[in-house]
Amino acid sequence: AQKITQTQPGMFVQEKEAVTLDCTYDTSDQSYGLFWYKQPSSGEMIFLIYQGSYDEQNATEGRYSLNFQKARKSANLVISASQLGDSAMYFCAMRGPGTYKYIFGTGTRLKVLA
Amino acid sequence: SAVISQKPSRDICQRGTSLTIQCQVDSQVTMMFWYRQQPGQSLTLIATANQGSEATYESGFVIDKFPISRPNLTFSTLTVSNMSPEDSSIYLCSVATGSYEQYFGPGTRLTVT
Repeated sequence: AQKITQTQPGMFVQEKEAVTLDCTYDTSDQSYGLFWYKQPSSGEMIFLIYQGSYDEQNATEGRYSLNFQKARKSANLVISASQLGDSAMYFCAMRGPGTYKYIFGTGTRLKVLA
Repeated sequence: SAVISQKPSRDICQRGTSLTIQCQVDSQVTMMFWYRQQPGQSLTLIATANQGSEATYESGFVIDKFPISRPNLTFSTLTVSNMSPEDSSIYLCSVATGSYEQYFGPGTRLTVT
């Protein structure tokens, strides 16, 4: 069975500093996708970044990068140069082969301090 | 990407009543999904809304409680029936456009008193 684990319920970071949000996963599939979403207090889910299991390079999208370590089954999100607007809940999710269905982690609440 | 709207954005309902949530997408999509997010929790998939056929429900969710319609490729509804306070959640619809990611609507915040 697939599982996503986010062990940091809450994180603080100083404005303009970088922060890493942890995500580990468990699957027996060889092909899978890993995603990060941001959920502000307003409730919408905002897609941030995607990493495929066969992608050799770590995904990057602007200030977001995904530190993908396949052997360790980890897919940590790195946010560089944190901004106050980055304060939100962050969810890691996984999709297995041949399906669009997601499994979500429990989330990490990030607070950026001025 | 896709632009998704949901109605209502929030509602307060009495126990025993039903609420129908609408999800509208700005383009035709094959896959639409409904999620529930209970207070302080992660997202749980309720069902996949299939166009022209019955929805596919996940374990723990049944059609009598959460009937879903999908009359076309841009629209779906989720009804929360015979509500109890435990149904107080954010309900989100999402779509998969053929690329890897899903796009979510803004959510419907439901409070059952």
